[in-house]
Amino acid sequence: QVHLVQSGAEVKKPGASVKVSCKASGYTFTDYYIHWVRQAPGQGLEWLGWINPNSGGTSYPQSFQGRLTLTRDTSISIAYMELNSLKSDDTAVYYCARVLSFTHGFDLWGQGTPVTVSS
Amino acid sequence: EIVLTQSPGTLSLSPGERATLSCRASQGVSSIYLAWYQQKPGQAPRLLIYGASSRATGIPDRFSGSGSGADFTLTISRLEPEDFATYFCHQSGTAPLSFGGGTKVAIK
Repeated sequence: QVHLVQSGAEVKKPGASVKVSCKASGYTFTDYYIHWVRQAPGQGLEWLGWINPNSGGTSYPQSFQGRLTLTRDTSISIAYMELNSLKSDDTAVYYCARVLSFTHGFDLWGQGTPVTVSS
Repeated sequence: EIVLTQSPGTLSLSPGERATLSCRASQGVSSIYLAWYQQKPGQAPRLLIYGASSRATGIPDRFSGSGSGADFTLTISRLEPEDFATYFCHQSGTAPLSFGGGTKVAIK
């Protein structure tokens, strides 16, 4: 069985940082890119970036440059998303998802990690 | 940045009816980079269609995708009770990747 299992819910204060993990199982971790997507309450989906677990290469939208860091640990098949300088509008459910290539769609998703930013 | 506009925002239909969902891009998207996802409340999205028209593993054949250029369509031929959900289109061909705002298919 293939799975992406994410870490649990987080509550943070404005200005803090959050680090969410995404553990892969049931497949070869380095064969698939990992993307991160978030969804604010009642809203649509927003793409946050990707990491190539094989090379460690990353890509982020301009809007998150300097505030978002994607990393991975291939020895334990875990991808991480760290978001700094949190604001209230970063409150969302954060998902990781895998993709074989950019033409194949995100075929496996984590269960989501709710992150609440509140003073 | 490619903006994807989905219409209608909400589609109210009865089980057994046909659903036609539209996704229009602000500029052309190669069809190989266009996907559709289904999302139910409290759940992660699920891949339905990739490459504009290829069904993902395990997706019933009542779901079909079509289109090219800037106009894409997801069709559900006969709605089953489990199909009432929100559907998102997604393009992965041009950074930043983007999603449409979603179409909610609701029970009439």
